[in-house]
Amino acid sequence: QSALTQPASVSGSPGQSITFSCTGTSSDVGTYDLVSWYQQHPGKAPRLIIYEVKKRPSGVSIRFSGSKSGNTASLTISGLQTEDEADYYCCSYTGSSSVVFGGGTKLTVL
Amino acid sequence: QVQLQESGPGLVKPSQTLSLTCSVSGGSISSAAYYWTWIRQYPGKGLEWIGYMFHSGSAYYNPSLKSRVTISVDTSKNQFSLKLTSVTVADTAVYYCARDFGGNSGEFDPWGQGTLVTVSS
Repeated sequence: QSALTQPASVSGSPGQSITFSCTGTSSDVGTYDLVSWYQQHPGKAPRLIIYEVKKRPSGVSIRFSGSKSGNTASLTISGLQTEDEADYYCCSYTGSSSVVFGGGTKLTVL
Repeated sequence: QVQLQESGPGLVKPSQTLSLTCSVSGGSISSAAYYWTWIRQYPGKGLEWIGYMFHSGSAYYNPSLKSRVTISVDTSKNQFSLKLTSVTVADTAVYYCARDFGGNSGEFDPWGQGTLVTVSS
């Protein structure tokens, strides 16, 4: 199974909206609505921010939203804040009880 | 609120077996349809799913690691464990335990704080 494809880095200014992409295949993202997103600050464990493509766990800001089209899932952060600066990872169920992560995107808030 | 905590040696010699334990507090490891998961992160890089296990015994592993990995659950201690055999320097990583709350779906919450395991002679 190959890792999901994410851009290495993105940047934005406070207040802007920014979208991360996560590209898989018809065997994972394209077939299953089991895409999740994780935020990771330096030295910390990843934190779940989106699951089942677009659901937000309790306590996660409404500024985070998820979507999917075909083999590509997306995470959008609206009203960018400095504390959003972190690494973001996508993850998808791949069938056969297996899971794959993306390589991660580093968000820089300018 | 469920919390997870990894424990185990921080240094393992090449060719030996890496053994880690995850202690679960705030809830029973036998409750509901959760899968108990190990994930690792190479230094400065991305995440890799290692595998997960249901408390009753069904375990699933990353195909690239399947020949070397065993995950087990000890319900009496409310813990689950990871064994990775024949390690090399390429297995140096931060190892996280997590709960797949969707039940074998790749949705992980919460996570432990992670433990760095270095493979070196």
